[in-house]
Amino acid sequence: ILNVEQSPQSLHVQEGDSTNFTCSFPSSNFYALHWYRWETAKSPEALFVMTLNGDEKKKGRISATLNTKEGYSYLYIKGSQPEDSATYLCAFPGNQFYFGTGTSLTVIP
Amino acid sequence: DGGITQSPKYLFRKEGQNVTLSCEQNLNHDAMYWYRQDPGQGLRLIYYSQIVNDFQKGDIAEGYSVSREKKESFPLTVTSAQKNPTAFYLCASSPGTVTGELFFGEGSRLTVL
Repeated sequence: ILNVEQSPQSLHVQEGDSTNFTCSFPSSNFYALHWYRWETAKSPEALFVMTLNGDEKKKGRISATLNTKEGYSYLYIKGSQPEDSATYLCAFPGNQFYFGTGTSLTVIP
Repeated sequence: DGGITQSPKYLFRKEGQNVTLSCEQNLNHDAMYWYRQDPGQGLRLIYYSQIVNDFQKGDIAEGYSVSREKKESFPLTVTSAQKNPTAFYLCASSPGTVTGELFFGEGSRLTVL
């Protein structure tokens, strides 16, 4: 079992605040790193698939960076909005997908 | 629209009964997965299949069984041997590559009475 860790476990921020959270994964045998957003009562949806060291991807106010040498990825949300409230999961693919426990974000209006 | 469908959404079972959760996809994906989520825990892999007529145990396969007779379908049976079956179950599919995104169903919540 590969160890994929996410921190913090939960986060409460005020609307308009920027925030970030971390996914740590094994730095050896790296192929890709996935980020998913899971809103309450919905299915998880892919945000980013990252493959290259130093990669930075952006979708609206959400961006992610990747450091494969040290085994971490950051997810940033700029100017958080209530609709950003969700659990954010990272997944490390190998012969299966290994998920972190997620970061639960609550944006308070 | 292409997607992945799980049914039923909610299921109640008496102790000692087997139940089968359905998962169907029309995305033409090779790989399919079953995950379990318990409160305060991440997604744990039960079984996965990368090709028709083949499947592999995940981290918590005991008390579960699957079949993959068709590319589109990957049903999960929760048997009476599963000691703590009350949980939320998620099915997913992917193209089967490390960069291929997972697509998830809406989940099935099983409660054992």
